[in-house]
Amino acid sequence: QKEVEQDPGPLSVPEGAIVSLNCTYSNSAFQYFMWYRQYSRKGPELLMYTYSSGNKEDGRFTAQVDKSSKYISLFIRDSQPSDSATYLCAISYSSASKIIFGSGTRLSIRP
Amino acid sequence: SQTIHQWPATLVQPVGSPLSLECTVEGTSNPNLYWYRQAAGRGLQLLFYSVGIGQISSEVPQNLSASRPQDRQFILSSKKLLLSDSGFYLCAWKGSELMDSNQPQHFGDGTRLSIL
Repeated sequence: QKEVEQDPGPLSVPEGAIVSLNCTYSNSAFQYFMWYRQYSRKGPELLMYTYSSGNKEDGRFTAQVDKSSKYISLFIRDSQPSDSATYLCAISYSSASKIIFGSGTRLSIRP
Repeated sequence: SQTIHQWPATLVQPVGSPLSLECTVEGTSNPNLYWYRQAAGRGLQLLFYSVGIGQISSEVPQNLSASRPQDRQFILSSKKLLLSDSGFYLCAWKGSELMDSNQPQHFGDGTRLSIL
């Protein structure tokens, strides 16, 4: 079993829709959760990170962590064509530990 | 603010040739530095990391090596490239335990390496 699983997509939604991106992980010892956005031919860009269960909001982005279900989500409200990218979830035991990345979900926002 | 630079952005090399990819970080001291490889449709694979000058840890056995000759410089090398070395190579930095220890890693824009 992979330590983190992420649906590769592609996911295509119309502009303005709410997008939900998800990952599951296998080990409840993981405590640190991150989301990166990667545009084509660019490096991953950190969007959000959190230690806690619950929601963390930053503008149109909300990261949600459910440690009991070992499930993490990223919600994008009012999606824009500029949000079209690959989104990578990432987990680690702590901020000092090795990061394990999901394989990424390709998202396309249709104008 | 901190910035990370990688070059070249694209590289085409023949099998058996040497390799040197460079990564530099500005605006921070004593960062942790990382080299990753990203294959198409797959997650990032950690190759090497360094917590200080001359300190290199290797995550997977392979045809590559890394060096850190200066605090903010990280180099990925090979003496003889293989076809299987093709991929997208990413450098990342993170604040050391003394600074910004809760911040995750930040990535450069990568080098796309094609071996012919």
